[in-house]
Order: sequence, then structure tokens, then C-alpha cells
Amino acid sequence: AQSVTQLGSHVSVSEGALVLLRCNYSSSVPPYLFWYVQYPNQGLQLLLKYTTGATLVKGINGFEAEFKKSETSFHLTKPSAHMSDAAEYFCAVVDNDMRFGAGTRLTVKP
Amino acid sequence: EAGVAQSPRYKIIEKRQSVAFWCNPISGHATLYWYQQILGQGPKLLIQFQNNGVVDDSQLPKDRFSAERLKGVDSTLKIQPAKLEDSAVYLCASSSTRTGAMNTEAFFGQGTRLTVV
Repeated sequence: AQSVTQLGSHVSVSEGALVLLRCNYSSSVPPYLFWYVQYPNQGLQLLLKYTTGATLVKGINGFEAEFKKSETSFHLTKPSAHMSDAAEYFCAVVDNDMRFGAGTRLTVKP
Repeated sequence: EAGVAQSPRYKIIEKRQSVAFWCNPISGHATLYWYQQILGQGPKLLIQFQNNGVVDDSQLPKDRFSAERLKGVDSTLKIQPAKLEDSAVYLCASSSTRTGAMNTEAFFGQGTRLTVV
């Protein structure tokens, strides 16, 4: 069965700094990969997804992620953090069903 | 387009009581998921429906949890009897995978926060 590992349960950056949230996956088949964001007391909202084609995927709010098959990774980045980016971020992998990582809480300091 | 609707938003019950959650997916979405999200953890898949059939319920504690999706639209998730460790947010999601393809995103409801005391 597929699984997801998110390295770092909590990441703190300064406003304007680079955001890097790490995700590694395991899957027996070519995976579909997703990043979701969850704001307090909200459901999950899709940031971006990789299915096939270009390995660098751009999403909403300036986020992007790169699928690296050799590293089984799908790290999420944003060049310049904004205060409004503070939230919980979840990586998910799909083959038969959708499985989520444990999440990374992003804090943005002024 | 209306989103995934869930009710109630909050529920507090005593252990050994029963509780039910309701989900109305996005119109036309064939796939429906129920997830359990314990505080500080990622969502854990409980059950996945394709139309009104169960695709995956391998992580559903069947001795106390049950779910149904009558007519392939709305769904209910029931816990009977509840335990303290069932305290969590229960998320419903839907996606439009009529063919069973998994490359489409899932849309999530706001969840039901269950507290068992």
C-alpha cells in the first residue's frame, strides 16, 4: 500500500523567506501526488497536484512542487512566505485510494 | 457550485453513546470518502465509496463504525458505541471519478468535530 512521510511536523520561517515543506512517498505504481492546505477549523483545500506530464507543478497562492521519481519526493516550495500562508499542509499520495501524511504546521514570523 | 456539506459541525457525547454524521457530496461526484483526523495528525481514510458501493473499508473499525451511501448520493457515518479515542474531526470528501480514475482532486467538507467525554 502507498504511504507518505512528511519530514518536520513544524516549520517556522520569517515573512519573505523561502518556504520548503518536505514530502516523500512510497507507491507500487506511478503515483498521483497532491498537496492540501488546512486553515484552522476548515476543511482541506487543494494547493496543487501531480498526475502526469511536467514534473514541476504550479499551484495556487504562489506554491509549487517538483515530482522527483528517483528521490520519491514531492517537496512543496514558495519563494517568499506571507503571513497568510500560516496553516497546516498535507501531502497525499493516490494509487487505489488517497492517503495523507501527518502534516506540517507552517508558522510565519513577522 | 455548492461544496461538500457536512452536519453537524460539532458534537459532544458521552462514551458508549451512539452518534451519526451526515455528508452531502458535490452534485454528480461518484466517489465519496470519510476520513478521521485526530488532533495533530493527518487524515486517516476510513471508507471510500464509488457510487453506492464500497471500494475500501480496510481501516474502518467495523465493530463500532458503519457507513452507508444510499442511492449513491448522501452518506452517513455512525459510531456505536463511542469510545474516548474516537474524539476527532470526521471529514467527508468527494471527487468526480466516475471511471474510478484517481487523478482528480478530492473536495472536502468542513468536518464534524466529535468530542467523546
